[in-house]
Amino acid sequence: KQEVTQIPAALSVPEGENLVLNCSFTDSAIYNLQWFRQDPGKGLTSLLLIQSSQREQTSGRLNASLDKSSGRSTLYIAASQPGDSATYLCAVAGGQNFVFGPGTRLSVLP
Amino acid sequence: SAVISQKPSRDICQRGTSLTIQCQVDSQVTMMFWYRQQPGQSLTLIATANQGSEATYESGFVIDKFPISRPNLTFSTLTVSNMSPEDSSIYLCSVALKAGATEAFFGQGTRLTVV
Repeated sequence: KQEVTQIPAALSVPEGENLVLNCSFTDSAIYNLQWFRQDPGKGLTSLLLIQSSQREQTSGRLNASLDKSSGRSTLYIAASQPGDSATYLCAVAGGQNFVFGPGTRLSVLP
Repeated sequence: SAVISQKPSRDICQRGTSLTIQCQVDSQVTMMFWYRQQPGQSLTLIATANQGSEATYESGFVIDKFPISRPNLTFSTLTVSNMSPEDSSIYLCSVALKAGATEAFFGQGTRLTVV
């Protein structure tokens, strides 16, 4: 059974810092991995999708990497802004649905 | 991509009643899913909504409590039946354009409070 963990559980940084969020999964037989952002009480916004054959994806200030063999992914956020404050979830797809990690709650202080 | 509209966005309900949540997609999609997110927790899959047949439920979720309909490729409903305060959660509809290695899209969720 696939299990997904995320470290750290919470993170508070001053504006402008670069930061890394970590995601680990136990079963490397995945189709893809997706990073989401969730604002309090709201739904999920897709940030980046990495197919199993890919190593990384970039969108603006975000860069996500995938190391399937070690069961790890990282989300790198450059030059963080207060508007980046949210919970970040990673999810892995090994079949028809996704298994979610518990999330990292990020606060970027002005 | 897909745009998903979920209704209602939030509701406060009395215990013992039922609430039906609607999920409308702007294009035909193969896969539709319903998730629950309890306060402070991550997402847990309730079921896969199958067009033209009964939904496929995950362990711990049953049809009597969470009946699901999917009459076509753009619409699904989830009913939370005989509600108790423990059902207070955010319920999210998700779609994938096809089975397998594709991106998942989510609605904005329904925030349910049972009193």
